[in-house]
Amino acid sequence: SQTIHQWPATLVQPVGSPLSLECTVEGTSNPNLYWYRQAAGRGLQLLFYSVGIGQISSEVPQNLSASRPQDRQFILSSKKLLLSDSGFYLCAWEGLGGGNEQFFGPGTRLTVL
Amino acid sequence: QKEVEQNSGPLSVPEGAIASLNCTYSDRGSQSFFWYRQYSGKSPELIMSIYSNGDKEDGRFTAQLNKASQYVSLLIRDSQPSDSATYLCAVNNNNDMRFGAGTRLTVKP
Repeated sequence: SQTIHQWPATLVQPVGSPLSLECTVEGTSNPNLYWYRQAAGRGLQLLFYSVGIGQISSEVPQNLSASRPQDRQFILSSKKLLLSDSGFYLCAWEGLGGGNEQFFGPGTRLTVL
Repeated sequence: QKEVEQNSGPLSVPEGAIASLNCTYSDRGSQSFFWYRQYSGKSPELIMSIYSNGDKEDGRFTAQLNKASQYVSLLIRDSQPSDSATYLCAVNNNNDMRFGAGTRLTVKP
């Protein structure tokens, strides 16, 4: 069965510091992968998605970037965090059944101070 | 602007009652529709998918889709306190998934 991991689970960072969040998927090959951010009391905002190694599409222009160095690894980064980057970061993979179902990892809660 | 709208709630129902959650969407080309359950502090969990007009039942959950009215709903029968969570509606058109902000449901014992 497929599983998705994210780390760290929680993170507190000062404004201006760098960021690296990692997501890995097990039990599937060449999945579509997604990074979302959920701000308090708001819906999920799609940040990036990837259909394969090295292929990244950005949905929202901002100070974040994403990379996919391996088939089942998706990384979210920033060189300098802003206060507005605080939120719950969720990685998701798309099921292979053709129904566009997405399954989420446990998430990383980021607080920028 | 493609939107998915949900009543934020909170929706409060007594244990054993039917909870009815509603969602409207603006993109007429949407093809896939989903309900996720999100417990406080946790990530969303997929509970229902629906692709064609009508009802789809899975245990105590029934999803209803009306594409003409651009409306999707989730019914939870015999609601339990463990169903207390935020329910997110999601709508997909050509791999573009849009989420509503969610409806918070409280089931009171």
